[in-house]
Amino acid sequence: QKEVEQNSGPLSVPEGAIASLNCTYSDRGSQSFFWYRQYSGKSPELIMFIYSNGDKEDGRFTAQLNKASQYVSLLIRDSQPSDSATYLCAVNIYSSASKIIFGSGTRLSIRP
Amino acid sequence: NAGVTQTPKFRILKIGQSMTLQCAQDMNHNYMYWYRQDPGMGLKLIYYSVGAGITDKGEVPNGYNVSRSTTEDFPLRLELAAPSQTSVYFCASSYGQPNDYTFGSGTRLTVV
Repeated sequence: QKEVEQNSGPLSVPEGAIASLNCTYSDRGSQSFFWYRQYSGKSPELIMFIYSNGDKEDGRFTAQLNKASQYVSLLIRDSQPSDSATYLCAVNIYSSASKIIFGSGTRLSIRP
Repeated sequence: NAGVTQTPKFRILKIGQSMTLQCAQDMNHNYMYWYRQDPGMGLKLIYYSVGAGITDKGEVPNGYNVSRSTTEDFPLRLELAAPSQTSVYFCASSYGQPNDYTFGSGTRLTVV
């Protein structure tokens, strides 16, 4: 069983709409959860992290965590063409020296 | 302040050749990590280190070796290159908090 699962996409969203990205994880001991954005040919860039159940907002981005359901999501409001990228969900397994395990990523395309 | 520096940026190897991917950081981070990213996929952890002289296996360590003789450097060694090792390799470092990873720009390796 994969530790972190994401729908690979592509997810196509019109400009100005809300993009919703989802992720599930298998290890109930996971402590912290991350969303990275990766443009083609570039390294991943951290855009959100969340530790507690509920929502965390930062500008146009909202991360949502439900530990009971082992589910993390990322909402992008007022989507812009510059948001077109691959979004990687990642999970920190507490017992393992702060290492992060990544999902396979969801490719997001914002159409004008 | 250079951050995490990876060399080379690109390399083509023949099957059976060996090489070392270099990773250096100047942030005095104790934790360092090697990931590989296959086309259209997420990052897979190869090896990690929590300090000089201490290394441990990640998700996909077969075919690779690492050493950590100094805090700054964490080289990744491929002994007998195989086509399955064609990938982009990312090095990362952190103080130990999973939300403070710094990634290098990557090494694109092709084995033919």
